[in-house]
Amino acid sequence: DVKVTQSSRYLVKRTGEKVFLECVQDMDHENMFWYRQDPGLGLRLIYFSYDVKMKEKGDIPEGYSVSREKKERFSLILESASTNQTSMYLCASSTGSAPNEKLFFGSGTQLSVL
Amino acid sequence: SQQGEEDPQALSIQEGENATMNCSYKTSINNLQWYRQNSGRGLVHLILIRSNEREKHSGRLRVTLDTSKKSSSLLITASRAADTASYFCATEDSNYQLIWGAGTKLIIKP
Repeated sequence: DVKVTQSSRYLVKRTGEKVFLECVQDMDHENMFWYRQDPGLGLRLIYFSYDVKMKEKGDIPEGYSVSREKKERFSLILESASTNQTSMYLCASSTGSAPNEKLFFGSGTQLSVL
Repeated sequence: SQQGEEDPQALSIQEGENATMNCSYKTSINNLQWYRQNSGRGLVHLILIRSNEREKHSGRLRVTLDTSKKSSSLLITASRAADTASYFCATEDSNYQLIWGAGTKLIIKP
């Protein structure tokens, strides 16, 4: 089974801090995604990547950046955390030429920015 | 904007009963998927139905798709306590964007 591992389950940071959220998948998937999930809003796409060194903006990229130096690892960076970035962050991966089909998700990181 | 909208927002039934939840969308789609999320965890893919399909089954799950009404339903038969979760639909539109609904929270009472 595919495993998508997010480095932290819960994280508490202060406003203005630089925050790194790490995601690693172990099934050689080409496609990786970062979403945030807020109550009543469903999932919103922050960034995605279809290949190493490649990244594309999703629907809400402002205040975030990403890094994909290796195929299995996709990092989300909050350059200067703000309280409105308090949220559940979900990493996902998928294989092949149909990147939106059958996403595998990590367990999520609940980030609180104080 | 969110294309997929689940209905109802919350559903509470007795164990053993069937649970039905619906998803409506606004534009033409390539496919529609259903995912389950247990409390505070990641999402798990349940089933995918393509725009040229009308019905699919997987174990106790039955999904229907009516493209003329732009809606889908997920039926869980003989519900169990372990089915307690939030259920999300996700539609891939013709621009290959994946759009998520806000979810239906299902509670199975013992």
